[in-house]
Amino acid sequence: DAGVIQSPRHEVTEMGQEVTLRCKPISGHNSLFWYRQTMMRGLELLIYFNNNVPIDDSGMPEDRFSAKMPNASFSTLKIQPSEPRDSAVYFCASRSGTDTQYFGPGTRLTVL
Amino acid sequence: AQSVTQLDSHVSVSEGTPVLLRCNYSSSYSPSLFWYVQHPNKGLQLLLKYTSAATLVKGINGFEAEFKKSETSFHLTKPSAHMSDAAEYFCVVSLGNEKLTFGTGTRLTIIP
Repeated sequence: DAGVIQSPRHEVTEMGQEVTLRCKPISGHNSLFWYRQTMMRGLELLIYFNNNVPIDDSGMPEDRFSAKMPNASFSTLKIQPSEPRDSAVYFCASRSGTDTQYFGPGTRLTVL
Repeated sequence: AQSVTQLDSHVSVSEGTPVLLRCNYSSSYSPSLFWYVQHPNKGLQLLLKYTSAATLVKGINGFEAEFKKSETSFHLTKPSAHMSDAAEYFCVVSLGNEKLTFGTGTRLTIIP
């Protein structure tokens, strides 16, 4: 099993640009989670999906952030426009039922 | 509401000596508790989890944790530290295995 796959692993962009982060969950998992990790705020849940449907997006910081899950094997987190304070490591995690969450390697985003 | 408090932001131990990473939780109901480890520039890996079965939980790499309801604690221990244990450790609480709430992390340093 390849585990949770995230791309890109590193992204450097300029303020105002659109950023798209991608996640492929573990095959057969029906829940997907997006987290953000910063020094100031630690690990925060942004949004999660069950069976491709967004269940709780209360952690999404503002309207500049959006997430989609068009099918069971793919999800995106988009930031438009990006700002320097969005710089962080973004993790995707997936799970089957109520089992353990398995995390991807993360995408390190730097917004200049 | 649920929360976790990791009592030490940084712990240093000598190689071959015991490790103790402390965690206290707060939860209205019977929680699920986890310890995750994050090595530098890596994703999060599950060490162990407690889900109301045995109070002493054994995990990977020789780590174990004991759930003590009377003390609302879930401390992580290992009898003998190895250099490869140097990492950031997160105590995590969840109700019904839905949203995970992360502690602020404990950075473990191993002294040769």
